[in-house]
Amino acid sequence: GAGVSQSPSNKVTEKGKDVELRCDPISGHTALYWYRQSLGQGLEFLIYFQGNSAPDKSGLPSDRFSAERTGGSVSTLTIQRTQQEDSAVYLCASSPTHGQMNTEAFFGQGTRLTVV
Amino acid sequence: DAKTTQPNSMESNEEEPVHLPCNHSTISGTDYIHWYRQLPSQGPEYVIHGLTSNVNNRMASLAIAEDRKSSTLILHRATLRDAAVYYCILRALKGGSEKLVFGKGTKLTVNP
Repeated sequence: GAGVSQSPSNKVTEKGKDVELRCDPISGHTALYWYRQSLGQGLEFLIYFQGNSAPDKSGLPSDRFSAERTGGSVSTLTIQRTQQEDSAVYLCASSPTHGQMNTEAFFGQGTRLTVV
Repeated sequence: DAKTTQPNSMESNEEEPVHLPCNHSTISGTDYIHWYRQLPSQGPEYVIHGLTSNVNNRMASLAIAEDRKSSTLILHRATLRDAAVYYCILRALKGGSEKLVFGKGTKLTVNP
């Protein structure tokens, strides 16, 4: 694809409901990252995928958060029993390959999640 | 995670050069220095990266100190579109993870 695509672009959900956020990385990119950004704050790392495996889940804030990646491509971030503090922009990024620190990461436009 | 330190904010006038500093005194030999920027209501976008030598591309220049403990992003002629938060990041493979760790960045304001 032309770039990293995220859907939906906006999501409003009621407290306690589950939500799924989708990320389509650039075709062929093996590394995939999820971040979240609360209003006026910096980017908080959530999880890193290499292919379908996630060697770094250290940023997931609680067990309500999970993510998977299938076929080395699309990734889904799931938040169960959403809370108001989960309201943020969730950003996905991909980069070409593992272990090459001289490559750039490409970010999507994000999903703005609002929990009411 | 190796840390970077940047000023919270800077201001520039349109069409003037801008020098955005970054300190990274704990950088290790294999860390690459990356710069990203985030325009309002958008995801971050890559600007430039380097390891030891100064780098130029169509967007900016990156000047890296000889000891690599600091670097400077140079926008040669600022435009209004360059108003953004600029992040200096050390990119390395550690423990099987190559996550990018974002600090608070420098908010650049460009005055017309």
